[in-house]
Amino acid sequence: EVQLVESGGGLIQPGGSLRLSCAASGFTVGSHYMSWVRQAPGKGLEWVSTLYSSGSTYYADSVKGRITISRDESKNTVFLQLSSLRVEDTAVYYCARAIAAVYGMDVWGQGTTVTVSS
Amino acid sequence: SYDLTQPPSVSVSPGQTAFITCSGHKMGDRYVSWYQQRPGQSPVLVLYQDTQRPSGIPERFSGSNFGNTATLTISGTQAMDEADYFCQAWDSSTVVFGGGTKLTVL
Repeated sequence: EVQLVESGGGLIQPGGSLRLSCAASGFTVGSHYMSWVRQAPGKGLEWVSTLYSSGSTYYADSVKGRITISRDESKNTVFLQLSSLRVEDTAVYYCARAIAAVYGMDVWGQGTTVTVSS
Repeated sequence: SYDLTQPPSVSVSPGQTAFITCSGHKMGDRYVSWYQQRPGQSPVLVLYQDTQRPSGIPERFSGSNFGNTATLTISGTQAMDEADYFCQAWDSSTVVFGGGTKLTVL
């Protein structure tokens, strides 16, 4: 079964760091476009970052310099390292895959919640 | 940056056709995907490449994309279609989502 399972969320103080994980099964993360998308409480979807199969990485302006996306193909897992966290980073973080840009994000995880608060 | 604009809400009666629009500069020059998100659930891809339905998505979901507007059409709308819908496009290797439309079936 093709599946994504996120973990690593939690309550963190402003300025803190957190690493989110997205474990894939049923397909290889290195062969797909892997993205992180977040959703603040009661708000819409906000793209955060994408890691291409080529290894190229892209970030939203709102998180550039504070977030790093990476993958470990031996673990078939994608990571999102969050640092210098702000209250406005509070959201459910979803991991999603796409075969290529034009095909849309066809598999999503259940999400992991990050709460930034003092 | 590239912006996608959706109406905040659309209402439709059961069995009728719902139209959800997504506007952006030269939208027709880009491929658009659409996602359905029911309360408390993860988004689900319902259309990609403007008009293509993934496996398992009912035929009542269709799409178009011309000029500056992409449209998601739901024919014979059912109560189970009540959800938030988001359009999405790519812009210079970045992903852009519309603000979302809450579809109410009443």
